[in-house]
Amino acid sequence: DAGITQSPRHKVTETGTPVTLRCHQTENHRYMYWYRQDPGHGLRLIHYSYGVKDTDKGEVSDGYSVSRSKTEDFLLTLESATSSQTSVYFCAISESGDSDPNEQFFGPGTRLTVL
Amino acid sequence: DAKTTQPTSMDCAEGRAANLPCNHSTISGNEYVYWYRQIHSQGPQYIIHGLKNNETNEMASLIITEDRKSSTLILPHATLRDTAVYYCIVRVRGGSQGNLIFGKGTKLSVKP
Repeated sequence: DAGITQSPRHKVTETGTPVTLRCHQTENHRYMYWYRQDPGHGLRLIHYSYGVKDTDKGEVSDGYSVSRSKTEDFLLTLESATSSQTSVYFCAISESGDSDPNEQFFGPGTRLTVL
Repeated sequence: DAKTTQPTSMDCAEGRAANLPCNHSTISGNEYVYWYRQIHSQGPQYIIHGLKNNETNEMASLIITEDRKSSTLILPHATLRDTAVYYCIVRVRGGSQGNLIFGKGTKLSVKP
């Protein structure tokens, strides 16, 4: 399995509080992604990174920010958590990105509950 | 929206081949077909991908029709551990770099 860890694995927080999720990789892959998965929606891309300090928005980026100061770490921040952000969050990494083939390796997920 | 159509669910007997179909009638000439699966509560797992030719690896085979409008993922000897949701994905060009658009997939149940 690709070396991807996510922390925390589970978190319960209250509406309005800031939350930061961490994705850490040991593969030295250039591309990193944050997805959320909700019933009836499948996985949806939140933000992605194509290098250190290089990030861009995905399909559902409102209410989220990201940072990547090192190749191995990609942080997802909810500045003020809302109940609609209750979800399972997956991090993924990829070596190639926009060129083919684009095989993404996924982390184990973080289950976030916002009360 | 996903560019693929898959059956919602399928059953397969343990030890038999599981054949999972996918329609992608609007696929462009330079788009690949990818298959991922997600076992309950885990992150998605890459299985295989292809462009035009049939592909095989240690996990599965991918058969793509000549017109590329459909494909079939074949698990040659399904086991109980293959029970999962299988996603057929056509990789989007021009959107987010490397973005994979996951649809609802096919829930495969392998039964003893």
